[in-house]
Amino acid sequence: NAGVTQTPKFQVLKTGQSMTLQCAQDMNHEYMSWYRQDPGMGLRLIHYSVGAGITDQGEVPNGYNVSRSTTEDFPLRLLSAAPSQTSVYFCASRSTGGSQPQHFGDGTRLSIL
Amino acid sequence: SQQGEEDPQALSIQEGENATMNCSYKTSINNLQWYRQNSGRGLVHLILIRSNEREKHSGRLRVTLDTSKKSSSLLITASRAADTASYFCATDANNAGNMLTFGGGTRLMVKP
Repeated sequence: NAGVTQTPKFQVLKTGQSMTLQCAQDMNHEYMSWYRQDPGMGLRLIHYSVGAGITDQGEVPNGYNVSRSTTEDFPLRLLSAAPSQTSVYFCASRSTGGSQPQHFGDGTRLSIL
Repeated sequence: SQQGEEDPQALSIQEGENATMNCSYKTSINNLQWYRQNSGRGLVHLILIRSNEREKHSGRLRVTLDTSKKSSSLLITASRAADTASYFCATDANNAGNMLTFGGGTRLMVKP
């Protein structure tokens, strides 16, 4: 049972480059989300989705785009990478209904030079 | 802004001792969850306590919730070296999509 799979695990970009972080889950979860984690801090919500075709902004959405064409996949796009986007990015999913735990991927460690 | 604030930020104990971590939050919640993160890994769900519950147990974990004080605590009894990790509280405040808001975490080191 793979759970939540994130690729790549590591990436180095130059300022201004664009890239897509991939996230896939095999648990048929409706809810998916992207967080970033900076050193010594908790997770901050970037974007989330409550189902295919539905996305919304979280706490720190600027500089990122998302789409949700299928239940399984929720890619995160960096439009024009900036050094401030150097972080560890986590994708998570959970089932619908109240009081459900989130399942996290192992993260993508992204460095912007 | 972070909903939860954890205390202490770092904790170092000997194997066999108990570890207590505290979390405070700001708004009313549906539930509060605790997660564990090993170095270089994603977060793993430990335990969830609903707003109408006051205490919950799971193995060596004991969580309390005081909604009047907007605070929670996580107690790990008889700690082991393998418990070394960062621990985060997260609140579900019935916002859109029931997305979680995380605290800054407590880094626990258990010395063998």
